[in-house]
Amino acid sequence: NAGVTQTPKFRVLKTGQSMTLLCAQDMNHEYMYWYRQDPGMGLRLIHYSVGEGTTAKGEVPDGYNVSRLKKQNFLLGLESAAPSQTSVYFCASSNGRGLAGGSTDTQYFGPGTRLTVL
Amino acid sequence: AQSVAQPEDQVNVAEGNPLTVKCTYSVSGNPYLFWYVQYPNRGLQFLLKYITGDNLVKGSYGFEAEFNKSQTSFHLKKPSALVSDSALYFCAVRGSSGSARQLTFGSGTQLTVLP
Repeated sequence: NAGVTQTPKFRVLKTGQSMTLLCAQDMNHEYMYWYRQDPGMGLRLIHYSVGEGTTAKGEVPDGYNVSRLKKQNFLLGLESAAPSQTSVYFCASSNGRGLAGGSTDTQYFGPGTRLTVL
Repeated sequence: AQSVAQPEDQVNVAEGNPLTVKCTYSVSGNPYLFWYVQYPNRGLQFLLKYITGDNLVKGSYGFEAEFNKSQTSFHLKKPSALVSDSALYFCAVRGSSGSARQLTFGSGTQLTVLP
């Protein structure tokens, strides 16, 4: 049981390049999330998904797109990378069965992807 | 909008002494509160959460947290700190109404336990 895994672990891009970050979970969780972590700002939610084929915007969605074609995978895309997107990206998942629409769920996090945009 | 404040960027404590990492929150409806820990170059690990019931919540690695509704606080505590507890600690909150899936994190507190 690997939990939540992320690919790649590190990446360096040039401004304007595109890339896709892959998140996979083997816990049969319904909900999945993408966060970015910047110094002194905690984690901020980019996009999330409450089930296969669904996605929704979080707090900082601009410049990112996501897809959830399979329940176990959640992809985060950057179509045209900018230096402001230099960050550490974390994926998380939760089972979606908690009270208040999943509000009481524990989220389980992947190890992160460190992205630098030059 | 919901928010979390961790007023201390850095907390230093001697090994064997009790530790407290502070957290206050603002949320609509009932609060659901979480503590996570992050070790260097790792993802966040769940420590404990408050949903309802007893105000003192016990979690992993000997940590506990006290929910105080009147002070809107959820401070993390441990009776006797270990050097291995040195890490970055995040408090997080969700409300029972509104955007239930959005977990709001504090900015984090770096805990250093000195030998």
